[in-house]
Amino acid sequence: QSALTQPRSVSGSPGQSVTISCTGTSSDVGGYNHVSWYQQHPGKAPKLMIFDVSKRPSGVPDRFSGSKSANTASLTISGLQAEDEADYYCFSYASSHTYVFGTGTKVTVL
Amino acid sequence: EVQLVESGGGLVQPGGSLRLSCAASGFTFSSYEMNWVRQAPGKGLEWVSYIDIGGNTRYYADSVKGRFTISRDNAKNSLYLQMDSLRAEDTAVYYCARDGPIPAAGYCDYWGQGTLVTVSS
Repeated sequence: QSALTQPRSVSGSPGQSVTISCTGTSSDVGGYNHVSWYQQHPGKAPKLMIFDVSKRPSGVPDRFSGSKSANTASLTISGLQAEDEADYYCFSYASSHTYVFGTGTKVTVL
Repeated sequence: EVQLVESGGGLVQPGGSLRLSCAASGFTFSSYEMNWVRQAPGKGLEWVSYIDIGGNTRYYADSVKGRFTISRDNAKNSLYLQMDSLRAEDTAVYYCARDGPIPAAGYCDYWGQGTLVTVSS
């Protein structure tokens, strides 16, 4: 159950786009469409932003989008806003009835 | 409004036990699979355990298998995590999280605010 690999940090200016990658294996990200993304502000609980690779829950701005290619999933934030500054984690079903999170990425709005 | 409220955290010595509870409201608890997720201080999220709606199917991370037991009481709208043989590395905020609205959804759509467990002598 090794954690999925994410970049430690990404940054962008307001209005720009940033993309966070989440790399796993064929036993997790590449093998299933159960990939989700969570936003976490300091001291707060995580919030679901994307599920089933690319679906947005009600209330999540359409600036957030998800995709997947082979063993790598991605979260893109378009039109970056100050309130998007947070930690982001990917999450995937893995084989043997387990789940695994990514290592986490800090998004900084310059 | 969906609410998940964890309780039972605190300071415990290595080798000790603790039972966490999660009180659910605002939805039909008995219709949803549930999870526990933890976060060590300054670290990332770690999935801990899953339970199905009837409590018959339970999954665990390798790091807690054999030491932690997840359970639920649908009549009391409550989720539990019995933690035994605690280690310093179990120190974390423990979150209760609801699984998505379909069977084996594979994601957590609502989260509690967490309860802190500290394992130290």
